[in-house]
Amino acid sequence: KQEVTQIPAALSVPEGENLVLNCSFTDSAIYNLQWFRQDPGKGLTSLLLIQSSQREQTSGRLNASLDKSSGRSTLYIAASQPGDSATYLCAVHEGGSEKLVFGKGTKLTVNP
Amino acid sequence: GAVVSQHPSRVICKSGTSVKIECRSLDFQATTMFWYRQFPKQSLMLMATSNEGSKATYEQGVEKDKFLINHASLTLSTLTVTSAHPEDSSFYICSAPGLGTYEQYFGPGTRLTVT
Repeated sequence: KQEVTQIPAALSVPEGENLVLNCSFTDSAIYNLQWFRQDPGKGLTSLLLIQSSQREQTSGRLNASLDKSSGRSTLYIAASQPGDSATYLCAVHEGGSEKLVFGKGTKLTVNP
Repeated sequence: GAVVSQHPSRVICKSGTSVKIECRSLDFQATTMFWYRQFPKQSLMLMATSNEGSKATYEQGVEKDKFLINHASLTLSTLTVTSAHPEDSSFYICSAPGLGTYEQYFGPGTRLTVT
């Protein structure tokens, strides 16, 4: 059974700092991995999607990497801003399925 | 990008009543939609896969007679929580994969409170 773990559970940083969020998964037979952002009481916003054949994806100040063989992904946020404060969720698509398995998320607080 | 809507965004109901939540793909068709439940400070847990034109597929531990799913068209799936109880209070979110991709697009969620 696929399990997704995110570390740390919570992170508080000063504005302007670069930071890394970690995600690990137990079964490397994934189709792709997706990073989401969730604001309190809201739905999910897709940030980056990495196909299993890719190593990384970039969007603006965000960079996500994928090491499928070791079951790890990282989300790098450069020059963090207070508006980046949210919970970041990592999810993997199980191979041969459209199902997503989610981690519990990392709650990020960026202090002005 | 693809947009998924949900209605209502919030609902409060009395114990024993039924509540229907709608999930719509606004600018694309979805033969499959997914329903998730999220308890406070927990991750999203997949409840069921909604299939247009056929029965929904439920995850282990999810009561299919309590959580009725109907995928009436290629743009609409509904989740009905029957005989709701306080323990059913949660945040329900639906998603749909984009056409030709496995990228999932999520609705804004529905906050259900059962009193």
